[in-house]
Amino acid sequence: GQQVMQIPQYQHVQEGEDFTTYCNSSTTLSNIQWYKQRPGGHPVFLIQLVKSGEVKKQKRLTFQFGEAKKNSSLHITATQTTDVGTYFCAANFGNEKLTFGTGTRLTIIP
Amino acid sequence: KAGVTQTPRYLIKTRGQQVTLSCSPISGHRSVSWYQQTPGQGLQFLFEYFSETQRNKGNFPGRFSGRQFSNSRSEMNVSTLELGDSALYLCASSLAAQGAGELFFGEGSRLTVL
Repeated sequence: GQQVMQIPQYQHVQEGEDFTTYCNSSTTLSNIQWYKQRPGGHPVFLIQLVKSGEVKKQKRLTFQFGEAKKNSSLHITATQTTDVGTYFCAANFGNEKLTFGTGTRLTIIP
Repeated sequence: KAGVTQTPRYLIKTRGQQVTLSCSPISGHRSVSWYQQTPGQGLQFLFEYFSETQRNKGNFPGRFSGRQFSNSRSEMNVSTLELGDSALYLCASSLAAQGAGELFFGEGSRLTVL
């Protein structure tokens, strides 16, 4: 079936360190979305990437879509306590259905 | 504008019972998707409704069903509850069909099956 692998499952970083989560697919994606879920909350949309090699930035967050449109990453520079939560990618394989990655839970050590 | 509203927020049922969860999407949104979230399995897609028609369905048994009304409100039903059905059930609405744009999630309905 169409699956998207997301790694790592957990990441503990010192406040101020960088953080990266990756999503990988064996097949080409139409687009990929990223969501953030705070502890006890619900997923909130961050961004959608559509074009091959696309790079988008939101303040300290950088999102990339691979040239082959099979992988994507989210990088946070200089993490803050407000970055705590689980980050999910959601892949669109062109079948008008989003397949979510298993998520990366980020915890920050003050 | 109002967000996605899910009711009830919390509920406790026993094995064998059935449950109905409700979702009111953002006004103007025609697509409603349902997800099951558990600690071990992440977000698992249940089904999507668009203009009262089921567009897509995940790999869940027939005990899980849903429907959408003409005002876009949606309900999902789980019959003959099992312990493994304990989860957070999330509803998400969007303007277009799933995959085309942003999903707006509700707060979820947390179901505990005893």
